[in-house]
Amino acid sequence: EAGVAQSPRYKIIEKRQSVAFWCNPISGHATLYWYQQILGQGPKLLIQFQNNGVVDDSQLPKDRFSAERLKGVDSTLKIQPAKLEDSAVYLCASSFTCGENTEAFFGQGTRLTVV
Amino acid sequence: AQSVTQLDSHVSVSEGTPVLLRCNYSSSYSPSLFWYVQHPNKGLQLLLKYTSAATLVKGINGFEAEFKKSETSFHLTKPSAHMSDAAEYFCVVSPYNFNKFYFGSGTKLNVKP
Repeated sequence: EAGVAQSPRYKIIEKRQSVAFWCNPISGHATLYWYQQILGQGPKLLIQFQNNGVVDDSQLPKDRFSAERLKGVDSTLKIQPAKLEDSAVYLCASSFTCGENTEAFFGQGTRLTVV
Repeated sequence: AQSVTQLDSHVSVSEGTPVLLRCNYSSSYSPSLFWYVQHPNKGLQLLLKYTSAATLVKGINGFEAEFKKSETSFHLTKPSAHMSDAAEYFCVVSPYNFNKFYFGSGTKLNVKP
């Protein structure tokens, strides 16, 4: 079974520039998550989609971050304009559905460095 | 409210000795609990999960964890550490049927030769 695919793996940008990350979840997984993992911390949920609808974006800094999941499959996360404190690893994850055996499958992440 | 506390940010053991990584959780609902491992520059890999079946859960690579409701704990153990176990470990709580995953701050495991 193919895993969660993310690209790019690494990105270096200057502050105030924009950047976009792409995620392709595991086929058939209705739920997609974007997490931000700052160095030395655990992943923090930014946004959660169920199919192509947003379930939870309470932790997403909406003045600069946006995300979409067109057609309920692939997703993109955008930052515009980037700040130094956005330097982190951005993880995409997907899960099948609600229920007792639900687990999240993670991609390898995109490491963003803002200089 | 849901939260996870990993009691040690760093743990160092010698190869061949037991590993104990501690995790306490808080959940308003019957939770599922997970341990994930993250090797440097790699994605998060599921080690094991508890989903209200047996309280002692066995995972990959010889790891296991015991769910103790009275202590709200889900500590990760391994009888004998291997050099390849050096990584960061995350305890995760997911309230039953909510499809949300809350991470602890992580424990870095160092294994000395």
